[in-house]
Amino acid sequence: QFVLTQPPSASGTPGQRVTISCSGSGSNIGNNYVYWYQQLPGAAPQLLIFRNNQRPSGVPDRFSGSKSGASASLAISGLRSEDEADYHCSSWDDGLSGVVFGGGTKLTVL
Amino acid sequence: EVQLVESGGDLVEPGGSLRVSCAVSGFSISPIYMSWVRQAPGKGLEWVALISSGGTTSYADSVKGRFTISRDTSKNILFLQMNSLRADDTAVYYCAKGGAKYGIDYWGQGTLVTVSS
Repeated sequence: QFVLTQPPSASGTPGQRVTISCSGSGSNIGNNYVYWYQQLPGAAPQLLIFRNNQRPSGVPDRFSGSKSGASASLAISGLRSEDEADYHCSSWDDGLSGVVFGGGTKLTVL
Repeated sequence: EVQLVESGGDLVEPGGSLRVSCAVSGFSISPIYMSWVRQAPGKGLEWVALISSGGTTSYADSVKGRFTISRDTSKNILFLQMNSLRADDTAVYYCAKGGAKYGIDYWGQGTLVTVSS
């Protein structure tokens, strides 16, 4: 259903490093920027990473993004309880001429 | 300060119509892309439509021919006209700054559209 593929869930304990993957194809991630959004419970999404690996001002450097070929990853180091949220990846798809999203990953801090 | 405030969400019967609006402050919508993105209850984000700086529009296949994105640049308001609504259109509709290849950088708080008899 979603053009980009993310794991539905991820978890870690405080202080740990976790990564969330996002897999696409040559028409989207392979040829366009990747964006990551954090959605806290009951809230609207917020921009977390733009242009593959750039952080907006105010986003802690514990969050980092990377891209290789048609896949991307979001890494969160020094995990904190307030990081518990849904994380969504997104890109542009040249074939669909539209924005595509992953299904979202629910991060649980144990 | 950038603000996007949606309004107009409501309970609508299947086959009905509804227009949601997004009042924007802190920037002009005229020279940039603007988008609508929706999220069904408990589901992921789904892009719905975008409008370019030049007024060119683009739609997801799931809404093409039924939804229309438009804007009033003099009032800095974005609209989404929704016709022939179906139960699977039930979602929170977010107004968003940006879209296309350069991503979305600001989101509104969303407005809930429920399609049910």
